Amino acid sequence: DVKVTQSSRYLVKRTGEKVFLECVQDMDHENMFWYRQDPGLGLRLIYFSYDVKMKEKGDIPEGYSVSREKKERFSLILESASTNQTSMYLCASSFTGATNEKLFFGSGTQLSVL
Amino acid sequence: GQQLNQSPQSMFIQEGEDVSMNCTSSSIFNTWLWYKQDPGEGPVLLIALYKAGELTSNGRLTAQFGITRKDSFLNISASIPSDVGIYFCAGLSYSGGGADGLTFGKGTHLIIQP
Repeated sequence: DVKVTQSSRYLVKRTGEKVFLECVQDMDHENMFWYRQDPGLGLRLIYFSYDVKMKEKGDIPEGYSVSREKKERFSLILESASTNQTSMYLCASSFTGATNEKLFFGSGTQLSVL
Repeated sequence: GQQLNQSPQSMFIQEGEDVSMNCTSSSIFNTWLWYKQDPGEGPVLLIALYKAGELTSNGRLTAQFGITRKDSFLNISASIPSDVGIYFCAGLSYSGGGADGLTFGKGTHLIIQP
């Protein structure tokens, strides 16, 4: 089974802190994604990467950056956390090719910024 | 951007009842996906649909790709307690496009009363 592992289930940070959310997948997927999930808003794409060292902005990239130095790892960075970034963050991965739209999600990181 | 209207937002049903939910859009989609998110977990793919009119089953779940390509439906027969969760539809408007083009619905929260 594909496993997408997010390093923390819960995080509490203070406003202004730099926050790192880590995601690792073990199935050699080329594509990796970061979403945030908020009640009533569904899933919104923050950043994605289709190859090592490649990154593209999604629909809501403001206040975030990402890093993909290795194929299996995709990190989301909040340079200076703000309260409006309190949310559930979901990492996902997929194969390149005919079924690339089929995403495999991690269990999520619930981030609270105080 | 494109929007998916998913309804209902929430459902309170009795165990054993059938469930029906849908997603509609003013835009045409070439791929429809249905995901389920268990409490405290990330979404898991249930069914993928690739052809207008397609009807696909996965156990007690049945999903249909609308003829107009602007909607999709998910039905669950004889609901059981483990069906509780949030169901998301997702659509891709162009064939062969990457998952970054997925549009997600806001989710249907299914609650089952014993």
